[in-house]
Amino acid sequence: NAGVTQTPKFRILKIGQSMTLQCAQDMNHNYMYWYRQDPGMGLKLIYYSVGAGITDKGEVPNGYNVSRSTTEDFPLRLELAAPSQTSVYFCASSLGGVGEQYFGPGTRLTVT
Amino acid sequence: AQKITQTQPGMFVQEKEAVTLDCTYDTSDQSYGLFWYKQPSSGEMIFLIYQGSYDEQNATEGRYSLNFQKARKSANLVISASQLGDSAMYFCAMRGTGRRALTFGSGTRLQVQP
Repeated sequence: NAGVTQTPKFRILKIGQSMTLQCAQDMNHNYMYWYRQDPGMGLKLIYYSVGAGITDKGEVPNGYNVSRSTTEDFPLRLELAAPSQTSVYFCASSLGGVGEQYFGPGTRLTVT
Repeated sequence: AQKITQTQPGMFVQEKEAVTLDCTYDTSDQSYGLFWYKQPSSGEMIFLIYQGSYDEQNATEGRYSLNFQKARKSANLVISASQLGDSAMYFCAMRGTGRRALTFGSGTRLQVQP
């Protein structure tokens, strides 16, 4: 199993550009999450999904959108990138609503 | 609301010694889980240990143990026999029953000195 994979690993965006961060898991997990980690801080939840077709906002959803058309994939869309979105983005998954979450390797995004 | 507090921004420990990383939490949930993750300089998040709020025994995983004191709302991580490879950021996190995601603390940077 590859676990949770994320692409790209690094990206530099100009202000106002858009992009999609890809996340996929091959563990047949129902729950998937997007977190962001600002320098020197812990992770904050952006969006999550409890299954295909179901998504909900987390703590810091503004400026982002998600979709969950399959169990495996959970892309995160940034529209009109802003410098405040410079961060490391982690995707995670879990089998259910309790227990361990498995994290992807992260995407380091810089908006200038 | 849930909150995790890690009061030690940085810690030093000598190789082969034990170290305790502090974590206190606040929640109104009756049932919850507590987690510790390690983040080395390479950036990935590595799960270390889990403690359920109703578990009577403290969790242990190899050199990691969780000192769970429910009445004090603390869930400290103890690393025994520290190794140079233990140098990393350590995050305490929790999730309450019915909540969908983890709430993280701000982390503790541990440096193991030879």
